[in-house]
Amino acid sequence: EDKVVQSPLSLVVHEGDTVTLNCSYEVTNFRSLLWYKQEKKAPTFLFMLTSSGIEKKSGRLSSILDKKELFSILNITATQTGDSAVYLCAVTTDNNAGNMLTFGGGTRLMVKP
Amino acid sequence: ETGVTQSPTHLIKTRGQQVTLRCSSQSGHNTVSWYQQALGQGPQFIFQYYREEENGRGNFPPRFSGLQFPNYSSELNVNALELDDSALYLCASSKDSYYEQYFGPGTRLTVT
Repeated sequence: EDKVVQSPLSLVVHEGDTVTLNCSYEVTNFRSLLWYKQEKKAPTFLFMLTSSGIEKKSGRLSSILDKKELFSILNITATQTGDSAVYLCAVTTDNNAGNMLTFGGGTRLMVKP
Repeated sequence: ETGVTQSPTHLIKTRGQQVTLRCSSQSGHNTVSWYQQALGQGPQFIFQYYREEENGRGNFPPRFSGLQFPNYSSELNVNALELDDSALYLCASSKDSYYEQYFGPGTRLTVT
């Protein structure tokens, strides 16, 4: 059974800190790993990492994928209170028809002023 | 905002009843996926529709069913509601079945 595990479960930091969120996976026929930010309801797409794109950066957020060690990290530098959210990691595989996302349980980040 | 819309926003139903949730996909997207998110957990895949056909299903019983229409909007139907069906139901659309998915705001279903 495909498995995605995120750590830590929750994190409290102060504005300006740098945080690293972890996502490890055990799946067969890995295709891609995606990061989402969920503030209230709708998860917002951040990055998709595949074999052809193992490092992504957008502003203060960046992510890398290690396909050998089966994990990904999401880095947020110079955190702001607006970064407070649940961060979700999900993987897709070639095992199923379509593009089913298997999610981890999420990391809840709180950024204090 | 992603352009994916869902209705209704909130819904309260009684155990045993039936419910229909609706989703309009983002313009240009032909694939819709449905997820169930219980409180404090990551979303769980229910099923996906690609060009009006079911294109993959997660571990949900047959009382969870769906439809996709020619304009690519979609419905999720749940029969014989159980208390454990209380959750946030998320719809996501994508340009094709292998592209990144963009989520709508969800429908919060409470079963009493």
